[in-house]
Amino acid sequence: DAGITQSPRYKITETGRQVTLMCHQTWSHSYMFWYRQDLGHGLRLIYYSAAADITDKGEVPDGYVVSRSKTENFPLTLESATRSQTSVYFCASMSVGGSNQPQHFGDGTRLSIL
Amino acid sequence: KQEVTQIPAALSVPEGENLVLNCSFTDSAIYNLQWFRQDPGKGLTSLLLIQSSQREQTSGRLNASLDKSSGRSTLYIAASQPGDSATYLCAVLKGQNFVFGPGTRLSVLP
Repeated sequence: DAGITQSPRYKITETGRQVTLMCHQTWSHSYMFWYRQDLGHGLRLIYYSAAADITDKGEVPDGYVVSRSKTENFPLTLESATRSQTSVYFCASMSVGGSNQPQHFGDGTRLSIL
Repeated sequence: KQEVTQIPAALSVPEGENLVLNCSFTDSAIYNLQWFRQDPGKGLTSLLLIQSSQREQTSGRLNASLDKSSGRSTLYIAASQPGDSATYLCAVLKGQNFVFGPGTRLSVLP
């Protein structure tokens, strides 16, 4: 099916562990984004990518690592998880840069760090 | 730094009522403004996108307006239905950076 798929949908892990959240899109969109959504803070941009092998920091990048070796995949890694990274994580894509293109979102990954 | 606010934070209306959701932003130098809908446990669905050169966009019962000079956008929902119950978020784009508002939680009562 076309669209954005995030996996896993739910994840529980412990502090200090490494965890990777996956994002796959079937549209061959150039731009991909990672957000976290928290009560009281709304949606905040973690990292984004304009194309394969091009990534840049967003508002809250500390503690996260991204890569984009293929256009369709944009994994997000927490190298050493902390409780403050408990959140709902959303991946999004957009076809090209420009002012007339909407973002499309996945269904999110709910991550709990104990 | 761009800041986006939404008023009200929550709204409850009877079915059939027309309603307006408000979005304000502090930096008027934006590329576009998007309105999204978010259902519980789901991602965001794009409803309307207004480019900076446009004043409004319409889709079915939804109409969104943009006044860049005052830093405001409104989302008008006509003849509301229980299926419209969701959280509505606005987001502004400047450069590659999208900034989201906190959302308005809408409940439409049958």
